Amino acid sequence: KAGVTQTPRYLIKTRGQQVTLSCSPISGHRSVSWYQQTPGQGLQFLFEYFSETQRNKGNFPGRFSGRQFSNSRSEMNVSTLELGDSALYLCASSHNTDRVYGYTFGSGTRLTVV
Amino acid sequence: AQSVTQLGSHVSVSEGALVLLRCNYSSSVPPYLFWYVQYPNQGLQLLLKYTSAATLVKGINGFEAEFKKSETSFHLTKPSAHMSDAAEYFCAVSVDQAGTALIFGKGTTLSVSS
Repeated sequence: KAGVTQTPRYLIKTRGQQVTLSCSPISGHRSVSWYQQTPGQGLQFLFEYFSETQRNKGNFPGRFSGRQFSNSRSEMNVSTLELGDSALYLCASSHNTDRVYGYTFGSGTRLTVV
Repeated sequence: AQSVTQLGSHVSVSEGALVLLRCNYSSSVPPYLFWYVQYPNQGLQLLLKYTSAATLVKGINGFEAEFKKSETSFHLTKPSAHMSDAAEYFCAVSVDQAGTALIFGKGTTLSVSS
């Protein structure tokens, strides 16, 4: 079956702009999580959505937001971009609390802010 | 609060040698522990996870890890390294078996020489 699909793969934005990243989970998966990966801070949890509701949230400013649609696809938005937002953004999906396979990660969207 | 510490940001081994990647955790509740691998320009792939069923966990590609509560450790091992094992490895802790809201270590880059 198809894996977790993230679009676009690469993105270049200017400081102050906003950006929207998309994630299509594995068919049947209802939980979607987002992570930010940077060389300095490593992998950090952003938020998790299940059935269109945010269930968990990491320690990020309000400029970072997300949503999930009825088909489980998810988007995350970053407003007023800063240079420090340059990172690889990873999405992961799971069939709720899948005790066997857990979360499957996509290949990520690499965002560069100039 | 939960945290993960990976000892050694870079480990180098020869092909055929033992691989040992160290991970120590801190958790106020019984932890669920995970090892992920990341190849360049790709997302994360789950190698194995500890969910309290057995202290010695076998994963994919010949990797295994042993949960030692007394040492708060979950070190990853492989008896014989292969060139294809060269990648970055992340240890992570979560509040549930699926791996929701993972807290990651800083990662260990494994280099394998011929």
